[in-house]
Amino acid sequence: QKEVEQDPGPLSVPEGAIVSLNCTYSNSAFQYFMWYRQYSRKGPELLMYTYSSGNKEDGRFTAQVDKSSKYISLFIRDSQPSDSATYLCAMRHTGTASKLTFGTGTRLQVTL
Amino acid sequence: DTEVTQTPKHLVMGMTNKKSLKCEQHMGHRAMYWYKQKAKKPPELMFVYSYEKLSINESVPSRFSPECPNSSLLNLHLHALQPEDSALYLCASSQGEQGRETQYFGPGTRLLVL
Repeated sequence: QKEVEQDPGPLSVPEGAIVSLNCTYSNSAFQYFMWYRQYSRKGPELLMYTYSSGNKEDGRFTAQVDKSSKYISLFIRDSQPSDSATYLCAMRHTGTASKLTFGTGTRLQVTL
Repeated sequence: DTEVTQTPKHLVMGMTNKKSLKCEQHMGHRAMYWYKQKAKKPPELMFVYSYEKLSINESVPSRFSPECPNSSLLNLHLHALQPEDSALYLCASSQGEQGRETQYFGPGTRLLVL
């Protein structure tokens, strides 16, 4: 079993839809959680970074962490074609920023 | 500004060539990273430098040789690569290795080994 599970998709939604992207993890030592967006042939761009259970909002993006269920989500409201990308969840233990454990990434396609 | 720059954007090299990838950040970050990413896969950590010293080598073959000339620069020297080394090479940086810091990635260098 992988430490971090993420549905690879592809996920196709119409423009304006609410998108829900999810990751589950098995290691309770993970304390810091990130979502990166990666466009084709580009580097990952940090979207959200959280380290406590609950919700964190930034514009159209909301990151949700449920440590008791070992489950994290990224919600995208009013999705746009420009949101079409691969979304990677990443997490790490307390004490070191070096060892990010990534999900496999979910490919999202927002259609007109 | 959370910018990490990488040069070149693209690189094609033969198996006998020697080339170098460069990475630069001016955020005052003290930890820098090299990752390798194959198509449709997440990034894989290769090396970590902390305060200009190599702190992690993820059992990377010696044909990849990292160098950190100063706190803002990170190089990856390539020699005698194999076609399977073709990938997107990503540099990242973070404030440090400990605590709540997270990593910011550069745009990557797309490498093709012929």
